[in-house]
Amino acid sequence: DVKVTQSSRYLVKRTGEKVFLECVQDMDHENMFWYRQDPGLGLRLIYFSYDVKMKEKGDIPEGYSVSREKKERFSLILESASTNQTSMYLCASGQGRGAEAFFGQGTRLTVV
Amino acid sequence: GIQVEQSPPDLILQEGANSTLRCNFSDSMNNLQWFHQNPWGQLINLFYIPSGTKQNGRLSATTVATERYSLLYISSSQTTDSGVYFCAVGFGRSQGNLIFGKGTKLSVKP
Repeated sequence: DVKVTQSSRYLVKRTGEKVFLECVQDMDHENMFWYRQDPGLGLRLIYFSYDVKMKEKGDIPEGYSVSREKKERFSLILESASTNQTSMYLCASGQGRGAEAFFGQGTRLTVV
Repeated sequence: GIQVEQSPPDLILQEGANSTLRCNFSDSMNNLQWFHQNPWGQLINLFYIPSGTKQNGRLSATTVATERYSLLYISSSQTTDSGVYFCAVGFGRSQGNLIFGKGTKLSVKP
């Protein structure tokens, strides 16, 4: 079975803190993705990566950066957390264009 | 622009009833998936179905790519089927990222 693991289920951080959300997949997938999910807005793509050290902006990259130093790990970074970044964050991986994607368990981040 | 639309937005059923959820998409695609979001927020893969018909127990799905829609059938519904069902589509020009519909919230009453 494909396994995508996010480092935390729940996280509470203070405004202005630098926050790291980690995601690891065990299937040697090329692509990895970060989405956020908000009531009424659905799931929106923040960033994705199609190879080590490669990244592409999604629909809502402002306030975020990413890092992919190893194929299995994709990190989402909130440079200076703000209350409007309180959300559910979901990581996914997939082998390539048109391939099935698999999601981690999600991280509920609250910024106070 | 590219759109994925799901209907109905909400559905309430009695246990044992059957239901059909619909997903319409606006452009040619290379990936279509159905997910169930569990109460803890995780997206559980139900079907990877860019074309054709698949069945898994009481659930089945059909995608007609030429007419740009997919259907998810739930038969003999159970209370554990409750939750939000998402359709997500990968479009031809994308690198594999999915565009999600807004979901169908299903409530199955005992």
